[in-house]
Amino acid sequence: QKEVEQDPGPLSVPEGAIVSLNCTYSNSAFQYFMWYRQYSRKGPELLMYTYSSGNKEDGRFTAQVDKSSKYISLFIRDSQPSDSATYLCAMSGSGGSNYKLTFGKGTLLTVNP
Amino acid sequence: GAGVSQTPSNKVTEKGKYVELRCDPISGHTALYWYRQSLGQGPEFLIYFQGTGAADDSGLPNDRFFAVRPEGSVSTLKIQRTERGDSAVYLCASSLNGAGGLNNEQFFGPGTRLTVL
Repeated sequence: QKEVEQDPGPLSVPEGAIVSLNCTYSNSAFQYFMWYRQYSRKGPELLMYTYSSGNKEDGRFTAQVDKSSKYISLFIRDSQPSDSATYLCAMSGSGGSNYKLTFGKGTLLTVNP
Repeated sequence: GAGVSQTPSNKVTEKGKYVELRCDPISGHTALYWYRQSLGQGPEFLIYFQGTGAADDSGLPNDRFFAVRPEGSVSTLKIQRTERGDSAVYLCASSLNGAGGLNNEQFFGPGTRLTVL
C-alpha cells in the first residue's frame, strides 16, 4: 500500500459544478498538506498549503484536513474550464524531513463549458 | 522574475547511453530538489541539495543515478547506462531554503521528458 492514495479519475464535470477531490494517507507523521495543480506538459504549481487539521479557504478553493481519519480534501466552487488539469495532493512530515514531499497519483479533472 | 528552468525539455536516447539533465533554480534559492514523475503517477522524490551538498539522496533508485550542484546554483542530474524503465519526466524544484513548512514553497520547473528507446 502506498503512503498516499488518490483516485486518478478521470473526473469530468460541467462548468459551474462543485468539485471534490480527496486523498487518504497512512503515515501519521505527515503534518503539512498541499494541493498542486499540473497542466499538461507543465510542472506542478502550488494551490493550497495547510498545516495539521482544519480548513483553509482561498477564493474558489477550500482545503480540508482531517488527521484523525488521515483524509484530505480539496473543493473547487464554480468550476471553470481553466480549472481543467491534474490535481496532485502532497504531504510532508515535520522536523528534519519536512522538505521531502510525498505525492498522490493525481486526479485528472476536465471542466466542460 | 524567472522561474525554475530545465533543459532539455525533451531527450530521446538509446538504452545504455549516458544522459545529463540540467536545472536552473530561482535565483537566491539555496534548496534544490529532483523528482521523477512516471506516466500516470505523482512525482517521486529523488534528491535534495542544500547549497552545494546533497543533504538527502535517499530517493535515487540505484548507483546509475547521480546529481551535482558544484556552485550551489545550477544542478545536473546524470544517468548512466540508461534503461527503458528510466523513461519519465524529471522535475526540478527549488525553495528559499530547505526548512520546509508553510513559508518555504517548492517551485517546480516544467521538467525534462526522457525517453529511453
